Amino acid sequence: DAEITQSPRHKITETGRQVTLACHQTWNHNNMFWYRQDLGHGLRLIHYSYGVHDTNKGEVSDGYSVSRSNTEDLPLTLESAASSQTSVYFCASSGGSNEKLFFGSGTQLSVL
Amino acid sequence: GEDVEQSLFLSVREGDSSVINCTYTDSSSTYLYWYKQEPGAGLQLLTYIFSNMDMKQDQRLTVLLNKKDKHLSLRIADTQTGDSAIYFCAETHSGGGADGLTFGKGTHLIIQP
Repeated sequence: DAEITQSPRHKITETGRQVTLACHQTWNHNNMFWYRQDLGHGLRLIHYSYGVHDTNKGEVSDGYSVSRSNTEDLPLTLESAASSQTSVYFCASSGGSNEKLFFGSGTQLSVL
Repeated sequence: GEDVEQSLFLSVREGDSSVINCTYTDSSSTYLYWYKQEPGAGLQLLTYIFSNMDMKQDQRLTVLLNKKDKHLSLRIADTQTGDSAIYFCAETHSGGGADGLTFGKGTHLIIQP
């Protein structure tokens, strides 16, 4: 069955380190998204992509970057991790307009 | 910008109906969604409604939309322990696949035995 997977499920890192979270989907979806989920804030959009080599900033993009070199993957990079980036990160994908979002199971990131 | 508001908690007794409410501000919203998040998991789409509809029913779930008041509700009939989760209201004005969705903060549904 097609699916969307995130790795790692849990990550602990130190402030200042570069961290990359992986997202891989096998639906051949064009659209992919990264959200972070924080208590009191719900889900907030970090970056999104409409296709290969396309990336766009979301509501809370500072300190994050993404790249889309193929259809299946949208890795999220924290250039220099900060404690404020401790959160649960969700990747999602969809086939296009009017298509529902499919979410990964999330990555719990702790920055110490 | 767009804003979506929900109550943070709702407590109901098992077997009763649950009604989760949501308000939004974007008058150009065309699609409104309800997602369910169980502990330790990602979000799963429960149901959605187009803005030109005022009601949608799917088994135990009923979605009501009052576009004039920008108010969306999700009714779960005969609430069961398996319904315990966080429910997110979300909206978009161009379909769920573009620009991402604007989510509410989520309503934690607590089921009392």
